[in-house]
Amino acid sequence: ETGVTQSPTHLIKTRGQQVTLRCSSQSGHNTVSWYQQALGQGPQFIFQYYREEENGRGNFPPRFSGLQFPNYSSELNVNALELDDSALYLCASSRGGRDEKLFFGSGTQLSVL
Amino acid sequence: DQQVKQNSPSLSVQEGRISILNCDYTNSMFDYFLWYKKYPAEGPTFLISISSIKDKNEDGRFTVFLNKSAKHLSLHIVPSQPGDSAVYFCAAIYSSASKIIFGSGTRLSIRP
Repeated sequence: ETGVTQSPTHLIKTRGQQVTLRCSSQSGHNTVSWYQQALGQGPQFIFQYYREEENGRGNFPPRFSGLQFPNYSSELNVNALELDDSALYLCASSRGGRDEKLFFGSGTQLSVL
Repeated sequence: DQQVKQNSPSLSVQEGRISILNCDYTNSMFDYFLWYKKYPAEGPTFLISISSIKDKNEDGRFTVFLNKSAKHLSLHIVPSQPGDSAVYFCAAIYSSASKIIFGSGTRLSIRP
């Protein structure tokens, strides 16, 4: 059983650029959630995808967008990067439904200069 | 608006003693609570959970206690071991929402 994998592990961008982060969910999981973890804080919910449809969104602007593919992998896209977007971005998969347990990847550390 | 609060950013405990990590919440609609553990350069891993209809759940060295009237939960680790040194996140969810809300974390250090 493969776990959740994220790529890339580290990324450096400049303000105004666009970035795409990728996530492969754990086998058997059809739900993917994305979280942003700023330094010294807990993970903050960005959005969730269930069977390729957005299934809930946190308090993030529209320049944060996502996709889920038929194989349940997912992408997080961030446009017009700002300095405050510098954070660890975590992807988590779950079986969906009432399964509350999330299985996290190791994250992508994004630095915006 | 922090709905889940971990007021102690760090905690140091001697090996073999009990570690107690605390968490407070404000939303009475939460019906499930979880604890996650995070090592550096890794994603959080699920540790233990408790439903709002229970007041205690135990799994080996880990026990979670829930006090609904006080909107407070705690994680007890006994005996504490060096491998328990990590950041611990308290989290909560309510059934009508798709998101899990995390606290800011407590860094636990187990000293020899």
